[in-house]
Amino acid sequence: GAVVSQHPSRVICKSGTSVKIECRSLDFQATTMFWYRQFPKQSLMLMATSNEGSKATYEQGVEKDKFLINHASLTLSTLTVTSAHPEDSSFYICSARGQENYGYTFGSGTRLTVV
Amino acid sequence: GEDVEQSLFLSVREGDSSVINCTYTDSSSTYLYWYKQEPGAGLQLLTYIFSNMDMKQDQRLTVLLNKKDKHLSLRIADTQTGDSAIYFCPGNSGNTPLVFGKGTRLSVIA
Repeated sequence: GAVVSQHPSRVICKSGTSVKIECRSLDFQATTMFWYRQFPKQSLMLMATSNEGSKATYEQGVEKDKFLINHASLTLSTLTVTSAHPEDSSFYICSARGQENYGYTFGSGTRLTVV
Repeated sequence: GEDVEQSLFLSVREGDSSVINCTYTDSSSTYLYWYKQEPGAGLQLLTYIFSNMDMKQDQRLTVLLNKKDKHLSLRIADTQTGDSAIYFCPGNSGNTPLVFGKGTRLSVIA
């Protein structure tokens, strides 16, 4: 079945530094990838949609200069949290979709803690 | 866009059946999904149903879809402690991203 690998699973960084999270589709080509953010005991909030080879589409209220998304190939999308602050601490999850509409596969998530 | 509502909590005894319900606003989704999230983990696709189906059964899981009432349910037979998790029934309209409700936290009591 479709597998999405996301790493790192956990990262702790200092305020002001940048952190890159990778999302890879291992056995299918992901034409579209999605990045979500989840606060404790909350739902998943869509941050942005990225299509291979084009700029990401960000949801309202998400700073595109802070959350840089790159989808340079059909199997890899990255989310870089720039100049991280403690309020950026959260659980970030990526999702990839292949050609079939039912193929929404999620990564295992990244727990980001900014100290 | 799609909006999903579901009850926040459900508690059942081990061995009993669990029924998790969702209502959604947009009836244009081609597929409807059920995802499971265990603590600190990503989302696991449990099952999905085509919008032109009324029911789908997959081992212990039964999905019922009532398009007229825009109601989707997931029944878990013989609920086990390993079924304790948060369950989501995201929807989408066409090729849009999945939109999540708050999820139902299922607690299984041994």
